[in-house]
Parts: sequence; structure tokens; C-alpha cells
Amino acid sequence: DTGVSQNPRHKITKRGQNVTFRCDPISEHNRLYWYRQTLGQGPEFLTYFQNEAQLEKSRLLSDRFSAERPKGSFSTLEIQRTEQGDSAMYLCASSLLSGRYNEQFFGPGTRLTVL
Amino acid sequence: AQSVTQLGSHVSVSEGALVLLRCNYSSSVPPYLFWYVQYPNQGLQLLLKYTTGATLVKGINGFEAEFKKSETSFHLTKPSAHMSDAAEYFCAVSEESGSQGNLIFGKGTKLSVKP
Repeated sequence: DTGVSQNPRHKITKRGQNVTFRCDPISEHNRLYWYRQTLGQGPEFLTYFQNEAQLEKSRLLSDRFSAERPKGSFSTLEIQRTEQGDSAMYLCASSLLSGRYNEQFFGPGTRLTVL
Repeated sequence: AQSVTQLGSHVSVSEGALVLLRCNYSSSVPPYLFWYVQYPNQGLQLLLKYTTGATLVKGINGFEAEFKKSETSFHLTKPSAHMSDAAEYFCAVSEESGSQGNLIFGKGTKLSVKP
């Protein structure tokens, strides 16, 4: 088990382009979370999946953002028509919902720079 | 609504000195509380957590934190700082897993350790 992995680690794009990030959770983890972290701030919740179902979306997730988790395994986060304000670190976390508490394990993040 | 306040965006201590990073939370339900550490260009690593039971919790790397319900605090301490402790530290709160269980983070405290 190698933990949560995210690809790419860095992405530089021009304003208006579309980008897609991938997250591979720890195998057998049924919950997957996406967070966004901007400079000088803590991570902010974007959305989460339980298996393949997307159960919650934050109001930070504008309609230019879409996330999927086909087959309940890896997940992708796509940003369409990127804006400079989308520049941030995008973090993925996974957990195994068991009992009352689920510990989230974080990946290394994808740093997005929009020029 | 839940929230986390970390007092002091930057704390500097000398090697061997006490480390104290402050965290106050607000939550309408019994919270789960966490401290994470983030090294440059890396994801978040869990230091310690409070779920139920003993209010003094011990974590990795010699850190510990005490849950004080009356003060709504969960301050992080380490008796003797090492150079390797220099990083950013985030306090987070979560509701019980009956909800989506996403984490609400503070803005972080950057710890510097002077030789």
C-alpha cells in the first residue's frame, strides 16, 4: 500500500484552458475527498464521494468544476475554462468509513498555476 | 457552523524550547479534533487526533494536545523543539461521521525553529 497518490504533481496552464487531475486513493477506502488550499490558508472542502456516489459539494465548487469517481476507485477533478483564481494546491484524501470515525489520509497534492 | 481559529500565523522558537501552537474551535456537536503537519510541497500528515475518551492525546514525533471542552481549545505542545519540526501545522475539526465527515481547517501556523 503506497498511500494516496495524485497526478500530476504540478500543472501550469493558460487562462481559459481545461485541466484534469487524478487521485488514486488507498485501496479499499470507500470515501474520497477533494480539498483546495490557497496560499496562506488551510485546506477547504470541495466535495466528497462514498464509493461512486458524489454525496456533497461545497459552494466553492462552481459549475466549471466537475468531479467523478467511476467504479468507486480513482477520482478525477476537472476544471473548465480555468481562471487565475483557480491557482491553488488541490488535495485529495481517502478514508474507510468504519464505525463512528473515519481518518482521512492525504495525498501530496496537485499544484495548479493558471497564467 | 463549525470553525477553527489558530492564534498566530507564525511561531518561532529556539531548538530545545517548548512548542505551543494554539487552536480554538466552535462546534454545536461533540467534535472530533485533529492536528496535521505539512512540509513544503507535500500533503498533510496526521499528527494526532481526539475522538472520545482521554482528553490528553499523544501523537507522533513527541507532540501532544489536550482537549478542553470548557475552553473550546485543542492546543498542540511539544516539550523540546527539533529543527526537523519546522513546518506548517493545521488544526481541524470534524463532526461525527453521521455527517459527511469533511474536515474544517484553521488557517495554519508556520513553525520556525532557530538553532
